[in-house]
Amino acid sequence: DGGITQSPKYLFRKEGQNVTLSCEQNLNHDAMYWYRQDPGQGLRLIYYSQIVNDFQKGDIAEGYSVSREKKESFPLTVTSAQKNPTAFYLCASSPPTGMNTEAFFGQGTRLTVV
Amino acid sequence: GNSVTQMEGPVTLSEEAFLTINCTYTATGYPSLFWYVQYPGEGLQLLLKATKADDKGSNKGFEATYRKETTSFHLEKGSVQVSDSAVYFCARYTGNQFYFGTGTSLTVIP
Repeated sequence: DGGITQSPKYLFRKEGQNVTLSCEQNLNHDAMYWYRQDPGQGLRLIYYSQIVNDFQKGDIAEGYSVSREKKESFPLTVTSAQKNPTAFYLCASSPPTGMNTEAFFGQGTRLTVV
Repeated sequence: GNSVTQMEGPVTLSEEAFLTINCTYTATGYPSLFWYVQYPGEGLQLLLKATKADDKGSNKGFEATYRKETTSFHLEKGSVQVSDSAVYFCARYTGNQFYFGTGTSLTVIP
């Protein structure tokens, strides 16, 4: 079945450590996105990528980094520079711009800093 | 700007009540509009969408009409069920990005 897979579902990190969240899709979508979700704040865009080897910062990119070496994969690294990393992280992908564009979401990764 | 404003929650309704969740967007161009639903601990799922003015999206008894004149895309359902309890997000797509509202939590009680 086609879909978008995030792993792990739950992740615990000690303060000062970097951690990488995985996002893989087999939908053959060009565009991929990372969002952060905090209670009462909806979804905020961290980074997005329209094609392989290219990505752009979203509204809250500070303290995060990404790579897009393959079309299927868009991993997000939460660095120690991120002041408040505890949150629910959602990855999404979408087909090319057009009438049928919509965002397909993974199940999310809940990151907790301990 | 490219913003989406939706009704704040939480909303609590009795089963079979009528639901309206308001959503408005800033009018820059002709964006595609969406309603997504999120169940606890899960990602977002597309509920319905509309791509041009006067289009009506519908799914599972939910409806929303793209109103260009009022820049709105309000979500409605005539008779809610307990299983509709979730968080609902309004969204627009413009300039290769999706913009989401802050979400409205709905609880339906038997």
